[in-house]
Amino acid sequence: GAGVSQTPSNKVTEKGKYVELRCDPISGHTALYWYRQSLGQGPEFLIYFQGTGAADDSGLPNDRFFAVRPEGSVSTLKIQRTERGDSAVYLCASSLTGSLNTGELFFGEGSRLTVL
Amino acid sequence: AQSVTQLDSHVSVSEGTPVLLRCNYSSSYSPSLFWYVQHPNKGLQLLLKYTSAATLVKGINGFEAEFKKSETSFHLTKPSAHMSDAAEYFCVVSRGGSYIPTFGRGTSLIVHP
Repeated sequence: GAGVSQTPSNKVTEKGKYVELRCDPISGHTALYWYRQSLGQGPEFLIYFQGTGAADDSGLPNDRFFAVRPEGSVSTLKIQRTERGDSAVYLCASSLTGSLNTGELFFGEGSRLTVL
Repeated sequence: AQSVTQLDSHVSVSEGTPVLLRCNYSSSYSPSLFWYVQHPNKGLQLLLKYTSAATLVKGINGFEAEFKKSETSFHLTKPSAHMSDAAEYFCVVSRGGSYIPTFGRGTSLIVHP
């Protein structure tokens, strides 16, 4: 596909469970971002990858959250011991170079996580 | 540090009337500024961007924004609203050399027939 693909589109889980959210960026985009969007709020930065490495993970709220991008393409956001406060839409975006001066972010449609 | 403030959480206009969505930014360095639009159940889409070239930036669907350094503003305008413009709009700032864009809280544009 031509765009950023995120799966699942919806995930309902119970408090305490483990969740994985997947992002498949646009082919050739080296930069990949995860954001979290709560109801009525703007997207909140979580983590940024340049290639395979996490260049900036300062937005991850705590150690229950972890993300990987082992081959520099697909990324997985992993949430352990989910809490009700983790309920949100998780957005993934990719960019050709990662430089906001020259590039734009291309967003997926998000994964809506609901923790009961 | 960098931040954006979207001054209105909701803006309501009639179809065919002008649109003004306000954004003020704070950045220690020369910023890059963006407006994104989010239609219901759709992904965020770039409307326009300012990256230190012309201060008046034209985007898609007839939108434009003017970078005013003296006022630290980057307001989004459109001469005539269309029903299809109803959506959530986000102002975004990224300081020079930073790879992390910061989003505002969003402004919901409501267009009445």
